[in-house]
Amino acid sequence: SQKIEQNSEALNIQEGKTATLTCNYTNYSPAYLQWYRQDPGRGPVFLLLIRENEKEKRKERLKVTFDTTLKQSLFHITASQPADSATYLCALDKGGFQKLVFGTGTRLLVSP
Amino acid sequence: DTEVTQTPKHLVMGMTNKKSLKCEQHMGHRAMYWYKQKAKKPPELMFVYSYEKLSINESVPSRFSPECPNSSLLNLHLHALQPEDSALYLCASSRRGSEGGDTQYFGPGTRLTVL
Repeated sequence: SQKIEQNSEALNIQEGKTATLTCNYTNYSPAYLQWYRQDPGRGPVFLLLIRENEKEKRKERLKVTFDTTLKQSLFHITASQPADSATYLCALDKGGFQKLVFGTGTRLLVSP
Repeated sequence: DTEVTQTPKHLVMGMTNKKSLKCEQHMGHRAMYWYKQKAKKPPELMFVYSYEKLSINESVPSRFSPECPNSSLLNLHLHALQPEDSALYLCASSRRGSEGGDTQYFGPGTRLTVL
């Protein structure tokens, strides 16, 4: 069966450190992988998109890697801040039609 | 305007009621979506409209009825819901209607409680 799994436990880190979140998938062949941030009671907000033929993508303090052999994406936030505390969702897109399937999400807590 | 708006923010309804959720975007996006999200779970796709036509129905029970009156508006009509339908209902839109690799813009959601 198809699965998209992220760190099930909350990730607690100290301000200024780098947070690394994992997204693993099975039985999918995504053409694109996206990362979203969701705050409690709000809708997800798009952060980054990476294509299957790209290894890495960066945007300010954010970096995403995509390894289609390992079936894994890593999401990094450098110099983390308490304002980065939120749930982060990866989402797979098979391409051809816009249908996103979301991972289970990881809650990130950044302490001052 | 890069916003997706949803009304109402909160809705409490009985199992015999009929109500509607409304979603609006003025970004000229050609695809619109309804998602259901239960607490501590990821959003689950319910319906997709592409160029105002229903293109995906993820086997959603008929007590949920979507409608897309025009390219900016999306409604979700609710009738005879069950308590387990209580959830956050999210609307989203994306620029293109028929390709992958497009980002989705989400509204703030409607928190629905069914008594």
